[in-house]
Amino acid sequence: AQRVTQPEKLLSVFKGAPVELKCNYSYSGSPELFWYVQYSRQRLQLLLRHISRESIKGFTADLNKGETSFHLKKPFAQEEDSAMYYCALDSGAGSYQLTFGKGTKLSVIP
Amino acid sequence: SQTIHQWPATLVQPVGSPLSLECTVEGTSNPNLYWYRQAAGRGLQLLFYSVGIGQISSEVPQNLSASRPQDRQFILSSKKLLLSDSGFYLCAWRSRGQGLRGSYNSPLHFGNGTRLTVT
Repeated sequence: AQRVTQPEKLLSVFKGAPVELKCNYSYSGSPELFWYVQYSRQRLQLLLRHISRESIKGFTADLNKGETSFHLKKPFAQEEDSAMYYCALDSGAGSYQLTFGKGTKLSVIP
Repeated sequence: SQTIHQWPATLVQPVGSPLSLECTVEGTSNPNLYWYRQAAGRGLQLLFYSVGIGQISSEVPQNLSASRPQDRQFILSSKKLLLSDSGFYLCAWRSRGQGLRGSYNSPLHFGNGTRLTVT
């Protein structure tokens, strides 16, 4: 069975400090990993996916198959980054569902 | 462009009353449709998904049911609500396509959600 673990329910950092939101997964095949974000009073939306290998709003995430991790990173946190972040795993083409972690609430302190 | 509509935004219902939440998608055809429940500290729990009209898969046993009467319409229902049904319900869709390396899944696109309070 596939599983996504986000060990931190809440993460508080100061503005300008580096941010790392942790995500570990368990899956025997080759998964696709995503990060979703939910800002206050907005709908849940895609932030980035590992196959795109792109930086969105200064965030990056690298899939580490050896450590089965997909941590989200940003070198300098901004106040507008405060939100709920979910890591999700897609077991690949042909699957029908994503498995989400329990989410990490990021709070950036001004 | 594709859009997803979910309503109502908030709902307060007494215990034992019926429920009907509706979700529609525009601008795409034959989407995969999903109902999730979002709870603080528990993340996103998949309740139902559908890959086509009349095709419903249930992920957890519960007091709820889902139906897909049309290609882009997904309904979450209950005959008798329980207090434990209170929560935030999200509808989502995704498309499936064909690329150079075979079929692929697009990311999920979520609705604004419905806050259900059972009293």
